[in-house]
Amino acid sequence: DSGVTQTPKHLITATGQRVTLRCSPRSGDLSVYWYQQSLDQGLQFLIQYYNGEERAKGNILERFSAQQFPDLHSELNLSSLELGDSALYFCASSVHPASGELFFGEGSRLTVL
Amino acid sequence: DAKTTQPNSMESNEEEPVHLPCNHSTISGTDYIHWYRQLPSQGPEYVIHGLTSNVNNRMASLAIAEDRKSSTLILHRATLRDAAVYYCILLRSYNTDKLIFGTGTRLQVFP
Repeated sequence: DSGVTQTPKHLITATGQRVTLRCSPRSGDLSVYWYQQSLDQGLQFLIQYYNGEERAKGNILERFSAQQFPDLHSELNLSSLELGDSALYFCASSVHPASGELFFGEGSRLTVL
Repeated sequence: DAKTTQPNSMESNEEEPVHLPCNHSTISGTDYIHWYRQLPSQGPEYVIHGLTSNVNNRMASLAIAEDRKSSTLILHRATLRDAAVYYCILLRSYNTDKLIFGTGTRLQVFP
């Protein structure tokens, strides 16, 4: 158990819909990362937050947005969903960006039908 | 970001040592070498990291070439639980911003 909690574990929805994925980082970790893993793309970095502020951005689509709240939990919002958005979404946390070690959650599996 | 090259797959028998290679010929002086692994149906898991000297921890050892253009992750006695995809990643200045995963090496362990 990494200490990072992601909900929901599984989610099935239809094209065009909007979903929110939630992540609670390890106690004491200030930095949160989001990754997308699909079969054909591997693990893709989406976005990183540190202590509530966006710190780094990767290949995140404009239809996706994220935020980190004052209690340090984070949410990833996916809207206007397409079939290709079906993937595993992982959240990770670290004490701070220079810690060198990320702790990953078990992921949220999104299926878009 | 400097690129790493790893074999797509490797095989090992249980209780034998495993040497997972990684080439990073364009590594810069401030790049740390990190290894993560991803077990089936789980999120990635940190394994080990180093800069210049060889490193050991409870999970594995990391051997870094003198010119730092390659490194090897060593699992001293493979178990079935070590079957996973192993990722070798370079991170500049000990900073996990934008930790970028490549395709990694898929390790199969046979009983």
